[in-house]
Amino acid sequence: EVQLVESGGGLVQPGGSLRLSCAVSGFTFSSYWMTWVRQAPGKGLQWVANIKQDGSEKYYVESVKGRFTISRDNAKNSLYLQMNSLRGEDTAVYYCAREDSCPGSCEFDYWGQGTLVTVSS
Amino acid sequence: SYELTQPPSVSVSPRQTATITCSGDKLGDKYASWYQQKPGQSPVLVIYQDTKRPSGIPERFSGSNSGNTATLTISETQAMDEADYYCQAWDSSFLYVFGTGTKVTVL
Repeated sequence: EVQLVESGGGLVQPGGSLRLSCAVSGFTFSSYWMTWVRQAPGKGLQWVANIKQDGSEKYYVESVKGRFTISRDNAKNSLYLQMNSLRGEDTAVYYCAREDSCPGSCEFDYWGQGTLVTVSS
Repeated sequence: SYELTQPPSVSVSPRQTATITCSGDKLGDKYASWYQQKPGQSPVLVIYQDTKRPSGIPERFSGSNSGNTATLTISETQAMDEADYYCQAWDSSFLYVFGTGTKVTVL
């Protein structure tokens, strides 16, 4: 059974940092691109960042470039998101998800349960 | 930047057909996917590559994509289909984008 379990969310002050983790099981983690998607309270989905199978390519949405860093440890079947210089608008539930059929259709076929990040003083 | 526009809400009676549209410039030239999200839950992929259903998704969910519009159709809508639905597309220029989301209410 495919499982993605996020952790590391919480309350942080503006300007602070947080590191999210996503532990994966049930598939060959090193064979897939992986992604972070976020959802602000009461809002829609927003793609945040993704990373290639070997970590050699990483892409970010413009609003987090220079502040967030995506990484992975294939030996530990884990995905990470280091978030620095956090702002109120980063408040959201953060989901990790597996990408499939990319390049091409590029859909997210498995999602974690999400972890809530709240940026507030 | 690329945008995908969906109607904010769609209402449907039980056992009737719900149609949700997703509009974007030349969207038909790309692949569209659709996700269902129930309150407090993670999104679930219901349609990918415009028309395909993942394993476990009921046949009443179908999709199409042509021109500037992708469409998700829910036939014989059931109360359990009440949820938010998001379209999504990928392109090498903008990477990933999600639609604005549609709340489906089964009256």
